[in-house]
Amino acid sequence: DAGVIQSPRHEVTEMGQEVTLRCKPISGHNSLFWYRQTMMRGLELLIYFNNNVPIDDSGMPEDRFSAKMPNASFSTLKIQPSEPRDSAVYFCASSLDRGTSGRRNTGELFFGEGSRLTVL
Amino acid sequence: QKEVEQDPGPLSVPEGAIVSLNCTYSNSAFQYFMWYRQYSRKGPELLMYTYSSGNKEDGRFTAQVDKSSKYISLFIRDSQPSDSATYLCAMSEGAGNQFYFGTGTSLTVIP
Repeated sequence: DAGVIQSPRHEVTEMGQEVTLRCKPISGHNSLFWYRQTMMRGLELLIYFNNNVPIDDSGMPEDRFSAKMPNASFSTLKIQPSEPRDSAVYFCASSLDRGTSGRRNTGELFFGEGSRLTVL
Repeated sequence: QKEVEQDPGPLSVPEGAIVSLNCTYSNSAFQYFMWYRQYSRKGPELLMYTYSSGNKEDGRFTAQVDKSSKYISLFIRDSQPSDSATYLCAMSEGAGNQFYFGTGTSLTVIP
């Protein structure tokens, strides 16, 4: 399995520009998470989806942030307009619901390699 | 108060030392406790997983959960330079898959 795939790995943009981060979860996983990581605040959950439906977006900082999951194999996180304080590493993670019938799993989160965003 | 508190370090130890990493939490409903390891410029990877209280051992790593004190620990025996990474604790309740992470402890093992 290729794991969780994120793109781009690095993005440098100017304040005010639109940024779109992409994620392909592990095939068969039914939960997808977007996290933001900074030195000051650590890993912060922005939003998570279950079966393509947004379940909790209370971590989305403001209306400039939006996330979509049009199908089970793709999700985007969009920032428009971007600001310097959005600079961080954005991680996508996927998991299979704990206790899913016929499978023994822990609900472990599998993370992508992250998208490092710098807004100038 | 954050749900999960973790000392960010940094922690620096000589090779072969025993390392103790800790987290405290406030939500008594947490039942699943995990330790993730994150190498520089990589995503976190699951290292240890424990359900409810007790100990779990895997090679040089031991995870302990004390639910009465709301305290979890990760011990690394005979630490190696390859253990140098950031260690994040994570917890979740029984229902749903929402995980709460500590801020991570940066560990350096010096050869």
